Amino acid sequence: NAGVMQNPRHLVRRRGQEARLRCSPMKGHSHVYWYRQLPEEGLKFMVYLQKENIIDESGMPKERFSAEFPKEGPSILRIQQVVRGDSAAYFCASSVGLAGSSYNEQFFGPGTRLTVL
Amino acid sequence: KQEVTQIPAALSVPEGENLVLNCSFTDSAIYNLQWFRQDPGKGLTSLLLIQSSQREQTSGRLNASLDKSSGRSTLYIAASQPGDSATYLCALHRNFNKFYFGSGTKLNVKP
Repeated sequence: NAGVMQNPRHLVRRRGQEARLRCSPMKGHSHVYWYRQLPEEGLKFMVYLQKENIIDESGMPKERFSAEFPKEGPSILRIQQVVRGDSAAYFCASSVGLAGSSYNEQFFGPGTRLTVL
Repeated sequence: KQEVTQIPAALSVPEGENLVLNCSFTDSAIYNLQWFRQDPGKGLTSLLLIQSSQREQTSGRLNASLDKSSGRSTLYIAASQPGDSATYLCALHRNFNKFYFGSGTKLNVKP
């Protein structure tokens, strides 16, 4: 059973370009979570999605950031008009159902490291 | 707002030592607490998950405890090895959908 897959693993963009980060959850998982990790800091929650629904986006910046999890295909985190401050590692996690119980643990992907020049 | 603090930020020990990593949090209304390991440039590996009704969990040389009343968790690593060198993250699950992470303790075990 493959784990959570993220691609690309490394992404370099110039200021003003768009960044698209993809996350394929573990097989059988219908819940996806995105986190951002700035250098030397812990992970910060961004958004929680189920198939075709955004459940909680309280951690998403108000502008330029969006996320989706379509019925088919991976979850996408999209950053428009990137700035240097967007440089970070972006992690995706997935779970079977509601996280918070021993049966719905979140499993993390390897992350995408975004560098904005 | 939940605040999670990990002390120390960095720790260097000789191989074979037993060590304790600390995690403190401000809001005791949590569902569970999880310890992760993060290797440089890599993702997170789950080490131990303690549910709010539990006080500790053990796996091999690792033991994690949870004291909600004092807002503290500890991760005890016995007989440390160079392969244990990594950043250890503590994360609290307060709501159904999000973790609150500490900033981590960077551990270096010297051969």
